[in-house]
This record gives sequence, structure tokens and C-alpha cells, in this order.
Amino acid sequence: NAGVTQTPKFRVLKTGQSMTLLCAQDMNHEYMYWYRQDPGMGLRLIHYSVGEGTTAKGEVPDGYNVSRLKKQNFLLGLESAAPSQTSVYFCASSSTGTGGFRNQPQHFGDGTRLSIL
Amino acid sequence: SQQGEEDPQALSIQEGENATMNCSYKTSINNLQWYRQNSGRGLVHLILIRSNEREKHSGRLRVTLDTSKKSSSLLITASRAADTASYFCASGAPGNNDMRFGAGTRLTVKP
Repeated sequence: NAGVTQTPKFRVLKTGQSMTLLCAQDMNHEYMYWYRQDPGMGLRLIHYSVGEGTTAKGEVPDGYNVSRLKKQNFLLGLESAAPSQTSVYFCASSSTGTGGFRNQPQHFGDGTRLSIL
Repeated sequence: SQQGEEDPQALSIQEGENATMNCSYKTSINNLQWYRQNSGRGLVHLILIRSNEREKHSGRLRVTLDTSKKSSSLLITASRAADTASYFCASGAPGNNDMRFGAGTRLTVKP
């Protein structure tokens, strides 16, 4: 099993450009998440999804959009990239369980390193 | 703001020694989780401890939780060079939909 796969692994954008980051999981997990990780900081949740066709905002959603058209895929879009969005982006997934999604261990991809010039 | 705060920010030890990392959080929690991140890789789940548990073991890992002090500790016994990584705690508060991660402890184990 591949687990959680993120594409691309690296990308450089110019300010104002748009792009989509793709996350795919093969574990049949209901829940999926997008985080960003900045130097010296932990992960901050951007958006998450509790099932196909549903999405919700996390801690830092501004400037990002997401879509979950298929259960195995979770897309993160940057409509107009800004230098402040330079970061490493991680996708994660988890199975369902009692007490809500946060109770379940999350499986992470290896990240997308995004630089906005 | 971050829910968890790890201490110390960096820790350097010799192979064979024990490593202890601490995590403090601000609000009540449902559970607390510890993750490891090797350089250039994603996070890997290590252990989950629920709010009604006080201690949990997994191999060379021992996690304690003190809800009265809003703190947790991760002990790695008999450390190995392969344990070199960053370690993060993450917690989910009742009523919130997001799990908050701390800034991590960078552990270096020297051979």
C-alpha cells in the first residue's frame, strides 16, 4: 500500500499564480486533512473533510480552497498565491471512530514544498 | 494559537541514554497524541493516550498524561541513532474540530 501520496513534491510559483495540490489515500479513510508547516512551528490545519463531498475550515483557511469529489482524493487549491503561503504542505487521513475524527491516529504524506516568489 | 507546547525545543543525547520530552496544553482535551517526523518526511503516529488514561507504553516508548497539570511526557528508553527526529504532541479539545500540534522537540541521538 502506498498510504497517502502527495503530488507534486516541490513547486515554485510566482505571486498571483494559482495551483492545485493533490492528495490521494488508498486506505479507504473517511477523514482527510490539509496542514501547513512553517519553520519553528507545528502543523496548522487549513481545511479538512469528514467524507466525500464535504469540507470544513480549519485554523488557517484564508487563501485556500479544497474539494473532495472522490473519497480517496482531497485537493488543495491556491487561487492567487502570495509569498506568505510559502510553506510545506502536508495531507493526512484517518479512519472513523468514536468521539470524532480527532481521536484517530492520522496518516501523513511526505509533503509538498511550495515556494512563492 | 497552538494547543500544545513541547519542551525542550532541542535535545541532544548519547546513544543508550533515555530521552524525555514534555508537552503542555491549554484547554481540556479528549486525547493527546505523539508523532515523530524524520527530516524531509511526513509525521508518523507513535502513540495515543486518552484523557482518562494516565500512562501508556509501546515498545521503548512511555507516555504519561496529567490532566490536572495539562501536561504529557514522552520517554524514549535506550535511545538509538535512528530515533533522531522531531517529536510533536497533538491534542483535540472537546467542541473543537481541529487537532492542534505543538512546535516540536528536535531530538538528536549521537552514536
